[in-house]
Amino acid sequence: EIVMTQSPATLSVSPGERATLSCRASQSISNKVAWYQQRPGQAPRLLISGASTRATGIPARFSGSGSGTEFTLTISSLQSEDFALYYCQQYNHWYTFGQGTKLEIK
Amino acid sequence: QVQLVESGGGLVQPGGSLRLSCAGSGFTFSDYYMSWIRQAPGKALEWISYIRSSGDIMYYADSVRGRFTISRDNARNSVFLQMNSLRAEDTAVYYCARGGPRELTCFDLWGQGTLVTVSS
Repeated sequence: EIVMTQSPATLSVSPGERATLSCRASQSISNKVAWYQQRPGQAPRLLISGASTRATGIPARFSGSGSGTEFTLTISSLQSEDFALYYCQQYNHWYTFGQGTKLEIK
Repeated sequence: QVQLVESGGGLVQPGGSLRLSCAGSGFTFSDYYMSWIRQAPGKALEWISYIRSSGDIMYYADSVRGRFTISRDNARNSVFLQMNSLRAEDTAVYYCARGGPRELTCFDLWGQGTLVTVSS
């Protein structure tokens, strides 16, 4: 099983600042990574697929990068609605999710 | 409106059974692989099963293989999850999610989830 490790577990950032979330795969997965946002009490929402392609309707302040085993989600200027839980997921060999990064207001 | 709506969750005793349903609308349901993904309270997401668009190929995570069965009815734009021999560790919110037109794609549309509680 491919293990996805996200860091940090919790990230405290002020509104308007940049947030950088990391995800590491236990083996190479090419660019088969997606990022999801989950707000409290809601279903996950796809943000990024193929490591760097924004999903339909996702603001340009969200960007993804990486390949192989190291991946990053960057939110360039945090808005109040961005404070949520974020998951990375690999779909190169079956499907596994990371443990999540909670993005909280500093 | 493009959406998925799950139903069928509830409280069940250990060893019991439950059948979840997920209805899709606003898109050509028969074109897509469909998956079930669950989230135990306070825990991360766990993919548990998918079914091919035509309904002829299904795969399961080790944690549910032999106990859960996924199926679909494209005429009713629906996917189902039959859950047998339920255990306390199956307690979770269960989401159906849309994959792509082929296997091993990410999930671009999720339902709102249905809560399954396994407890005596």
